[in-house]
Amino acid sequence: DTAVSQTPKYLVTQMGNDKSIKCEQNLGHDTMYWYKQDSKKFLKIMFSYNNKELIINETVPNRFSPKSPDKAHLNLHINSLELGDSAVYFCASSGSGQGFLLLHFGNGTRLTVT
Amino acid sequence: QQPVQSPQAVILREGEDAVINCSSSKALYSVHWYRQKHGEAPVFLMILLKGGEQKGHEKISASFNEKKQQSSLYLTASQLSYSGTYFCGTALSGGSNYKLTFGKGTLLTVNP
Repeated sequence: DTAVSQTPKYLVTQMGNDKSIKCEQNLGHDTMYWYKQDSKKFLKIMFSYNNKELIINETVPNRFSPKSPDKAHLNLHINSLELGDSAVYFCASSGSGQGFLLLHFGNGTRLTVT
Repeated sequence: QQPVQSPQAVILREGEDAVINCSSSKALYSVHWYRQKHGEAPVFLMILLKGGEQKGHEKISASFNEKKQQSSLYLTASQLSYSGTYFCGTALSGGSNYKLTFGKGTLLTVNP
């Protein structure tokens, strides 16, 4: 069973469109994250949720809206897509105690905006 | 605050050793090391908590110098499978230590 799964794996869309990426984890973790990796491979945190509550919201345009319906799911909706949004988006989860911040990453969603 | 990694890239022959460094200008609670192979997700290697402990994972080990806020990753007798981009991630001491900030990565290439 895949621990952290993201869909879709690839997303190609035009500027101005709205798209969503879904993430699910079956590890029983309390905390989930969205990271963005740009073309230079820089991994930057975007959002973090702990037990469905938003705890980290980095300087991200408000076109990006995360939603956590339960602690096993964290989705990312992006409105009015721009060329600069092209990147690989990674979902991750981590547990508590010694496992806190031990990130388990999903396989990523490669978003291409044309 | 993003940690600084050095070098940016390393090319080795199989069996050679390498050291990757990670430093922070802020007091750290923990340092985390990940490896990402091309086209794949980053994979956890090890965590070092403040206290200067050294950890090992097969022929890969790491140290954390709390006084200097620096960590080093040691790869000995490198294997082809070690190729990839290595990232250090840091969590700050005091207050918001629930965020991992990654360095820009070190691309390690191991050739036969």
